[in-house]
Amino acid sequence: QVQLRQSGPGLVKPSETLSLTCSVSGASISPYYWTWIRQPPGKGLEWIGFVKDSGSANYNPSLKSRVTISLDMSENEFSLNFKSVTTADTAVYYCARGLGAYAPWGQGTLVTVSP
Amino acid sequence: EIVLTQSPGTLSLSPGERATLSCRASQSVSSSYLNWYQQRPGQAPRLLIYGTSNRATGVPDRFSGSGSGTDFTLTISRLEPEDFAVYYCQQHGTSVFTFGPGTKVDIK
Repeated sequence: QVQLRQSGPGLVKPSETLSLTCSVSGASISPYYWTWIRQPPGKGLEWIGFVKDSGSANYNPSLKSRVTISLDMSENEFSLNFKSVTTADTAVYYCARGLGAYAPWGQGTLVTVSP
Repeated sequence: EIVLTQSPGTLSLSPGERATLSCRASQSVSSSYLNWYQQRPGQAPRLLIYGTSNRATGVPDRFSGSGSGTDFTLTISRLEPEDFAVYYCQQHGTSVFTFGPGTKVDIK
């Protein structure tokens, strides 16, 4: 079955860039959409954005100036880059397959922004 | 941006009881674009219902969804122990996709 495995650091300093990767197994990147979502500790879910198999992406306007989601077809993975982070960006970050209905999800990565 | 409001915030019920969860949108949402997720503590969310009323793969038939326009409902016909969790509605009918704040179903 399709599985998503997330990797990346759990601690990032303020003003630096948060980078996470989601490796896909059991399915090809094409012809799907791939999404990132985050959840601050004890809070609800926030949609970050998605990338199509073509490589084009769409982002939450509230985050758009700081976010890039990209694909690596050769590695069958996609990535999130989130620049100029602050403590307000501390959250569990999830990757998922889908444009609007998300299944499956990655295991989640707690990213703490702290000096 | 469409704002989703869920009620109640917490629902305290016993195993075997029926749960009715509400999701209200600030403007009309196409029924094709309203989904429900379950999140157990320490786990990633799991897709339960997509397109208002379609159960995702492997979801038991005690879960059902209904609604239209601005009012949507998730019903759990008889609560099992594993159903005590947080439930989120979500819409993707506009350019900004949004989630509701969640309803926690806990054991009475």
